[in-house]
Amino acid sequence: GQNIDQPTEMTATEGAIVQINCTYQTSGFNGLFWYQQHAGEAPTFLSYNVLDGLEEKGRFSSFLSRSKGYSYLLLKELQMKDSASYLCAASHPSGGSYIPTFGRGTSLIVHP
Amino acid sequence: DAGVTQSPTHLIKTRGQHVTLRCSPISGHKSVSWYQQVLGQGPQFIFQYYEKEERGRGNFPDRFSARQFPNYSSELNVNALLLGDSALYLCASSSTANSGNTIYFGEGSWLTVV
Repeated sequence: GQNIDQPTEMTATEGAIVQINCTYQTSGFNGLFWYQQHAGEAPTFLSYNVLDGLEEKGRFSSFLSRSKGYSYLLLKELQMKDSASYLCAASHPSGGSYIPTFGRGTSLIVHP
Repeated sequence: DAGVTQSPTHLIKTRGQHVTLRCSPISGHKSVSWYQQVLGQGPQFIFQYYEKEERGRGNFPDRFSARQFPNYSSELNVNALLLGDSALYLCASSSTANSGNTIYFGEGSWLTVV
């Protein structure tokens, strides 16, 4: 079976740094997605990690350790608009294709 | 360029009825996937289609079915609706069915079953 685990909720202060962790256990593994989802909206793509290490993209960075089944999303210089749910998803083979299995999402609340 | 488009955006159905949801992928994308997202949960995979063939199926009952048309658009059908089918149904497209291809979501169809 597939299991993706991430914290349910986190709070942080505007201007601060926050790290959202994700652990995964899947039958086969190809890579790790992070998506952002504002309330009532569709998820939007943030990052996709295949290799171990940190990938930086502006204020957002994502890290992957394949041996540990672990990833994190790092958000710097937090802004109020960063308040959203952050979804971790592990891509794995299934029936001749590849599908992402999503975690429950981490609701991030940024306060002034 | 248009993104992934879905219709209808909101609908209300009665238990036992049937519903059809529609999706048009991003131009040039040949793979379409369907997800169900219940409030407070992450999206749950239902189906993936690539070049009109089913490539993957999640753990959903046979009441759920889908198909992909020659123009790569897709329909999700749900029969004998239950209250528990109330959710946001997301369609996502990608260029291929291969790993590493980013999936792009549509705005979703909000289904309420009463």
